[in-house]
Amino acid sequence: TQLLEQSPQFLSIQEGENLTVYCNSSSVFSSLQWYRQEPGEGPVLLVTVVTGGEVKKLKRLTFQFGDARKDSSLHITAAQPGDTGLYLCAGGRNAGNMLTFGGGTRLMVKP
Amino acid sequence: DAEITQSPRHKITETGRQVTLACHQTWNHNNMFWYRQDLGHGLRLIHYSYGVHDTNKGEVSDGYSVSRSNTEDLPLTLESAASSQTSVYFCASSVQRINTEAFFGQGTRLTVV
Repeated sequence: TQLLEQSPQFLSIQEGENLTVYCNSSSVFSSLQWYRQEPGEGPVLLVTVVTGGEVKKLKRLTFQFGDARKDSSLHITAAQPGDTGLYLCAGGRNAGNMLTFGGGTRLMVKP
Repeated sequence: DAEITQSPRHKITETGRQVTLACHQTWNHNNMFWYRQDLGHGLRLIHYSYGVHDTNKGEVSDGYSVSRSNTEDLPLTLESAASSQTSVYFCASSVQRINTEAFFGQGTRLTVV
């Protein structure tokens, strides 16, 4: 069982649709990061949220950190083929001082 | 520009051989990490280092070792390669231990036959 559970694991949608990806845990995190990874490349940071209830927007992407800092969501509005990739959430815990990654959500946006 | 590079990008080795994967960063970051990525498991931490001569075990450290003799490099060694170690390996570095961006290399695809 992973400390961070992401859902769904796979998502295939049409261009223009909206979607939400979830990252859930029973543990409290000091921060929550979202990364995007393209085939053959390493993950690249999209956003870091550190305050419970925090909402950050990055163009068509909206990230939210749960009030209790145990979960997060990523919402994409009007998805485009360029959004295709693997989305990874990662939680930072003060205990152990390390990042823990979720299993990832593989998104495919069809034109 | 500062960067983090891994070599080789692809490697095929035989069961039982010792293999070393290189990771070199020019960010001057104290914190460096090795992860493996397998389908359905996301990224799992193998070993990490918070500075020169510091090394720590992650959640899947059995069969792997690292050494940190300088700030720039954190080589990962598979003492006796096993088929279960076939994976994609990523090295990363960061300014702080958590709460800041981790910069990843492009990965090394290792196949153990």
